[in-house]
Amino acid sequence: GEDVEQSLFLSVREGDSSVINCTYTDSSSTYLYWYKQEPGAGLQLLTYIFSNMDMKQDQRLTVLLNKKDKHLSLRIADTQTGDSAIYFCAEDNFNKFYFGSGTKLNVKP
Amino acid sequence: GAVVSQHPSWVICKSGTSVKIECRSLDFQATTMFWYRQFPKQSLMLMATSNEGSKATYEQGVEKDKFLINHASLTLSTLTVTSAHPEDSSFYICSAAGREKLFFGSGTQLSVL
Repeated sequence: GEDVEQSLFLSVREGDSSVINCTYTDSSSTYLYWYKQEPGAGLQLLTYIFSNMDMKQDQRLTVLLNKKDKHLSLRIADTQTGDSAIYFCAEDNFNKFYFGSGTKLNVKP
Repeated sequence: GAVVSQHPSWVICKSGTSVKIECRSLDFQATTMFWYRQFPKQSLMLMATSNEGSKATYEQGVEKDKFLINHASLTLSTLTVTSAHPEDSSFYICSAAGREKLFFGSGTQLSVL
């Protein structure tokens, strides 16, 4: 099946920018997504990008897509302690979703 | 925005019993719903795709006789874990396909004793 990979951990200081990276294998994906999961909760959709775009900005979030390298990143500006969570990237393939293993973001005060 | 309600949030059951988990799309119709399973410290694993009015499509390695899926209406899909065993203990999450986006339920923590 499709393979979506992320680094497992990221630690930043409050106020710094966080960049979470993701690589995927399926070049036919229509949309790519970033989800946030807080402890014990379901996934919260943060943002998504259409595959023919290379950048999308939404307040503190910036998504960059390099379709040639199949690389997706999520930048969180001015990271806050409330941003501490696990972040999953996902790609869709005919409406089936394949998730990365998640990146645990730890924000230190 | 669109909301998906998943119930129950957590359930404890004895080994050998069956457990039903419901997933409802509250303000939109979802012809397709998905069921995922999450093991501790691992990513979500897609178990099956549920299409309203037809049989679910199961991912490789998922036992369809053990994880029964019913998508009887455009707003409700159910997952029944039959004859549950301790190894079925996990976090189960459903999602419903809306327009352009996928909306997730809050998940069900199943503990089988």
